Amino acid sequence: DIQMTQSPSSLSASVGDRVMITCRASQTISRYLNWYQQKPGNPPKLLIYTVSSLQSGVPSRFSGNGSGTDFTLTISSLQPEDFATYYCQQSYSSLWTFGQGTKVEV
Amino acid sequence: QVQLVESGGGVVQPGRSLRLACAASGFNLRSYAMHWARQAPGKGLEWVAVIWSDGNKKYYSDSVKGRFTISRDNSENTLSLLMNSLRAEDTAVYFCARDWPRSSMDVWGQGTTVTVSS
Repeated sequence: DIQMTQSPSSLSASVGDRVMITCRASQTISRYLNWYQQKPGNPPKLLIYTVSSLQSGVPSRFSGNGSGTDFTLTISSLQPEDFATYYCQQSYSSLWTFGQGTKVEV
Repeated sequence: QVQLVESGGGVVQPGRSLRLACAASGFNLRSYAMHWARQAPGKGLEWVAVIWSDGNKKYYSDSVKGRFTISRDNSENTLSLLMNSLRAEDTAVYFCARDWPRSSMDVWGQGTTVTVSS
């Protein structure tokens, strides 16, 4: 199975900060990398698919980058509604896997 | 509107079986591959299984392979997950999700809770 490792596991930030979360795959996954946001008690929400494509309705302060094995999610100016847990997920292999999550806290 | 609603969760003893269902509305299920994912209490997301739009291919995570079976009824717009030989570590909220666009999951249900306990 392809292992996905996110860093950091958690981070503290303030409104207006630029936040970057990294995701590393255990083998190359081309551009089959997606990002999700999850708030407590809610299902995940798709933010970005295939590394850098913004899902409809997602604010442009979210962006993604990378290729091969190393990827990043950037929030350019953190807003109050962005405090949540973020997951990367690979869909390169038939068996999909998620990263362990990054909790963005105040 | 486009919606997925899971049902069938509950408390079940170890070794027993449970069948989850996912009802789709607002879109034609037959056009999409569909997934199940789960989240144990206080833990991260775990992908469980996928079934292609025509039902011809199915894949499972190593943790459930041989015990869980994913299926679909496109005429009824429903997805199912049959879980056999349940273990305590299968305790989780189970989500169904639509595969779109380009191998991602764009629509998720609210989840149904499965608790495996004696």
